[in-house]
Amino acid sequence: EVLLEESGGGLVNPGGSLRLSCAAAGFDFSAYTMNWVRQAPGKGLEWVSCISGSSHYIYYADSVKGRFTISRDNAKNSLFLQMGSLRVEDTALYYCARGPRAVAASGYFDPWGQGTLVTVSS
Amino acid sequence: QSVLTQPPSVSGAPGQRVTISCTGSSSNIGARYDIHWYQQVPGTAPKLLIYENTNRPSGVPDRFSGSKSGTSASLAITGLQAEDEAGYYCQSYDNSLSGWVFGGGTKLTVL
Repeated sequence: EVLLEESGGGLVNPGGSLRLSCAAAGFDFSAYTMNWVRQAPGKGLEWVSCISGSSHYIYYADSVKGRFTISRDNAKNSLFLQMGSLRVEDTALYYCARGPRAVAASGYFDPWGQGTLVTVSS
Repeated sequence: QSVLTQPPSVSGAPGQRVTISCTGSSSNIGARYDIHWYQQVPGTAPKLLIYENTNRPSGVPDRFSGSKSGTSASLAITGLQAEDEAGYYCQSYDNSLSGWVFGGGTKLTVL
């Protein structure tokens, strides 16, 4: 069974930093692209970032570019999101989601973890 | 405001058929990028419902179907059941934003 489990969420002040993790199991982690997708309370889904299996290709949404850094450790089957210069509008449930084997514009996300909540507030 | 436009809500009685539209533009759906659909039951993570416009993952009932034409796509649900009450999101890629995009989501209420 493919499993994704996020951790690292919490309450942080505006301007602060936080590092999210996603532990993967049940598939060849290094062979797949991985993504972060977020959902603000009561709102819709927003794609945040994508990383290829080899970490060679990395993409960010404009809303987080320059503030967030995605990375992965294939030896530990783990995905990370280093979040900096956090803003109130970054408050959301952050999901990790598996993408296709190769970076593909027509790629989809399956499966998803249960999410970790990030709250940015003073 | 989402790049892909969905109606905020739809409703139907048990057994009825409903459709959810997803309208895009020439930089996403119109550029022939595939559309995918997700179902999100309240309090749970999104689940892939339809991929590559028309395909259902294993375990998804054939009551769910997808279609795409021009700059729009649709999700159809036939034989509505109470368990179908959830949020539904379309997703594609946008080449002007150079990223993956979602619709704003549609809340389905089973009357």
